[in-house]
Amino acid sequence: GAVVSQHPSWVICKSGTSVKIECRSLDFQATTMFWYRQFPKQSLMLMATSNEGSKATYEQGVEKDKFLINHASLTLSTLTVTSAHPEDSSFYICSARDPRGAGNTIYFGEGSWLTVV
Amino acid sequence: AQKITQTQPGMFVQEKEAVTLDCTYDTSDQSYGLFWYKQPSSGEMIFLIYQGSYDEQNATEGRYSLNFQKARKSANLVISASQLGDSAMYFCAMTSAGKSTFGDGTTLTVKP
Repeated sequence: GAVVSQHPSWVICKSGTSVKIECRSLDFQATTMFWYRQFPKQSLMLMATSNEGSKATYEQGVEKDKFLINHASLTLSTLTVTSAHPEDSSFYICSARDPRGAGNTIYFGEGSWLTVV
Repeated sequence: AQKITQTQPGMFVQEKEAVTLDCTYDTSDQSYGLFWYKQPSSGEMIFLIYQGSYDEQNATEGRYSLNFQKARKSANLVISASQLGDSAMYFCAMTSAGKSTFGDGTTLTVKP
């Protein structure tokens, strides 16, 4: 079964509104979670690294005021797309690093399709 | 800096045949993990196989095996006995120092 759960799987929102996507690690505590965006037929683009209890580290070119990331607990990170516009429509996916063992195992969420109309 | 290179944008294979998807990586880290993921048209990312940099044996998971050649920095995915349901995009990825790097993906099409 899934070890990282992402919700919602599909969301449609109106332009100008905000939408929140949740990423949960189900059977381990994830001190580090990652948020990606995928454009059609392209690879995943890392948006930010979310560290529990501290500010997220954003990749160059990603607007931190638009894509708010909160990692308030060891099992939950949220991505909020603020004042969404149609160009924000995309597939967003999170992953969480399992600190157990070698600490190099990454589990992915199922992804969230965002459509802004 | 870490880099993953997948040189095959698209691949075709006949059903029931084996196929190899190429992946080379570049890193200066000694400890790293290599992954392959499958992304069907539904968009979800499905974990297939993992190889640790210190693992001496090649990883295998059912019909999937990872041909790990550390000196060449390659981590090719071999899918045996291809099935129609294997048609998807495949990503090679590396994690090191808590960061993940993905290749651009290979679209595999299995022909009946």
